[in-house]
Amino acid sequence: DAMVIQNPRYQVTQFGKPVTLSCSQTLNHNVMYWYQQKSSQAPKLLFHYYDKDFNNEADTPDNFQSRRPNTSFCFLDIRSPGLGDAAMYLCATSREGGASNEQFFGPGTRLTVL
Amino acid sequence: AQSVSQHNHHVILSEAASLELGCNYSYGGTVNLFWYVQYPGQHLQLLLKYFSGDPLVKGIKGFEAEFIKSKFSFNLRKPSVQWSDTAEYFCAVSTDSWGKFQFGAGTQVVVTP
Repeated sequence: DAMVIQNPRYQVTQFGKPVTLSCSQTLNHNVMYWYQQKSSQAPKLLFHYYDKDFNNEADTPDNFQSRRPNTSFCFLDIRSPGLGDAAMYLCATSREGGASNEQFFGPGTRLTVL
Repeated sequence: AQSVSQHNHHVILSEAASLELGCNYSYGGTVNLFWYVQYPGQHLQLLLKYFSGDPLVKGIKGFEAEFIKSKFSFNLRKPSVQWSDTAEYFCAVSTDSWGKFQFGAGTQVVVTP
């Protein structure tokens, strides 16, 4: 089945130690999104790629970076995780941009910062 | 800035009861509206979506939602819930050319046998 895959499902890191979260998709979608979801809160968009074009949300901290080496893969790098970065990180894709396109979500990676 | 409000954070109801979850948004232009569901331990899945046309849209698993433009609302309904409907439900609004979503905070629904 075509899908959005996130690895690992659970990630533990230490305060200040860089961490990378991975997302891959078999849908061949052009757009990939990264969301941060804290407990009992709405998923919050961090950034997205339309093909290779990177689009950062204005309030996304500089601590968060992303890479998309090819259509299938997208990475979220947290350069110096703080305790406040502990959250569920969701990857999503859509076939094209545009307001009418539904997004397909991965299962998420739960990040714990010690 | 646009926002999406879901009125209830937690809903508990019995099997066969009717369910209605509220969603209101603040945006004056054209909107595209979505309801997603997240079953325990699973990823977000699309229940239904509204782009244009008939404001009453039907989705999977017996869910439907009604877009009321004058009320800026997109409420989700199911006439008779089952235990398997226990999940978290998210309303989302998309307005821009990038298709970015603004999510509501979610409603946790627990259906008791």
